[in-house]
Amino acid sequence: DVKVTQSSRYLVKRTGEKVFLECVQDMDHENMFWYRQDPGLGLRLIYFSYDVKMKEKGDIPEGYSVSREKKERFSLILESASTNQTSMYLCATQTQSSYEQYFGPGTRLTVT
Amino acid sequence: AQSVTQPDIHITVSEGASLELRCNYSYGATPYLFWYVQSPGQGLQLLLKYFSGDTLVQGIKGFEAEFKRSQSSFNLRKPSVHWSDAAEYFCAVGSLNTDKLIFGTGTRLQVFP
Repeated sequence: DVKVTQSSRYLVKRTGEKVFLECVQDMDHENMFWYRQDPGLGLRLIYFSYDVKMKEKGDIPEGYSVSREKKERFSLILESASTNQTSMYLCATQTQSSYEQYFGPGTRLTVT
Repeated sequence: AQSVTQPDIHITVSEGASLELRCNYSYGATPYLFWYVQSPGQGLQLLLKYFSGDTLVQGIKGFEAEFKRSQSSFNLRKPSVHWSDAAEYFCAVGSLNTDKLIFGTGTRLQVFP
């Protein structure tokens, strides 16, 4: 079974703090994704990576950056957290030969 | 533009009743279609997928979905709903041209005993 883990289930940060969300997968998948999920908006793609040190912007990259130094780990960084970044953040992985994505349990981030 | 529409935001059914969740897509290429389920506070779990072949696909937990190209639809069905099916359901579409999936906004299913 594919296992995707996220560093925290719940996180509370203050406005202006730098926030790191980590995602680790154990299945050697090439592609990894970060989404945010908000009520009524579904899942929106922030960034994705198709290889180590490779990244592409998704639909809503503003205010975020990512890092992928190792194949199994994909980090989402909020350089200066703001209240409008309060959301559920979901990480997903995908092989390049398949199109289905496997999701982690999510991190619910609250920025106060 | 590529898009996925789930017209029903919230559906309520009685336990034991049949269920159909609607999904319509707009996609230029041959679509790959998925249904995911999200239990409260959890990540998304794949229920089923359609790539090609038989347009009626079977998934986990007794769910099935039918791809209808003429209607650009991929509706999810279950003949008899269980209380544990209460969750949020997402339809998603992808294609050969991209690794990305486009997700619908979700349908929240509530099940009454």
